[in-house]
Amino acid sequence: GAGVSQSPSNKVTEKGKDVELRCDPISGHTALYWYRQRLGQGLEFLIYFQGNSAPDKSGLPSDRFSAERTGESVSTLTIQRTQQEDSAVYLCASSLFGGYQETQYFGPGTRLLVL
Amino acid sequence: AQSVAQPEDQVNVAEGNPLTVKCTYSVSGNPYLFWYVQYPNRGLQFLLKYITGDNLVKGSYGFEAEFNKSQTSFHLKKPSALVSDSALYFCAVRDGGGTASKLTFGTGTRLQVTL
Repeated sequence: GAGVSQSPSNKVTEKGKDVELRCDPISGHTALYWYRQRLGQGLEFLIYFQGNSAPDKSGLPSDRFSAERTGESVSTLTIQRTQQEDSAVYLCASSLFGGYQETQYFGPGTRLLVL
Repeated sequence: AQSVAQPEDQVNVAEGNPLTVKCTYSVSGNPYLFWYVQYPNRGLQFLLKYITGDNLVKGSYGFEAEFNKSQTSFHLKKPSALVSDSALYFCAVRDGGGTASKLTFGTGTRLQVTL
């Protein structure tokens, strides 16, 4: 079946503009995660959605970052008033229920460049 | 808090030789350990995971990993490396003793396999 998809694949924006990144999880997966990968670094957790539970926002770096998820489908990550340090690859992942032992399956990512 | 260390930024190995990519972890509860591989401009692909049971875990593309509780390690291994194995490898952990929903990743190890 189809994997996790993300759009756009690349985004170039000017400092101060808002951007919106989209993630379509694997069908039937109730858990969805956003991570950020800066150049030459590992992945940083941003936010986690599971079903109708309140999202875990503990990884969001500032109040400029927000995310929404409609039911158990699409999620959007919004970055307001972008800064150059926001330049990174933003990766989305999904898993079946969010259990500790579950594999998270990743999308190809959105490469964001803030000029 | 959960953490992962990958002590080597890069590992170089000749094709046909065995390879090892090192990973150590720290958790408060039971560890759930994962290896992912990232090819250029691609998302992360799942290789294998340790949940419980046999300490030697076999995964995709001939890779395996050995869980060592006393040394808190989960090293990735392959008996005979291929040039096509050249990529960036990430170790990740979830802490079964906490409420964290996220995966915590190491900084990655670049594997270079040469002829």
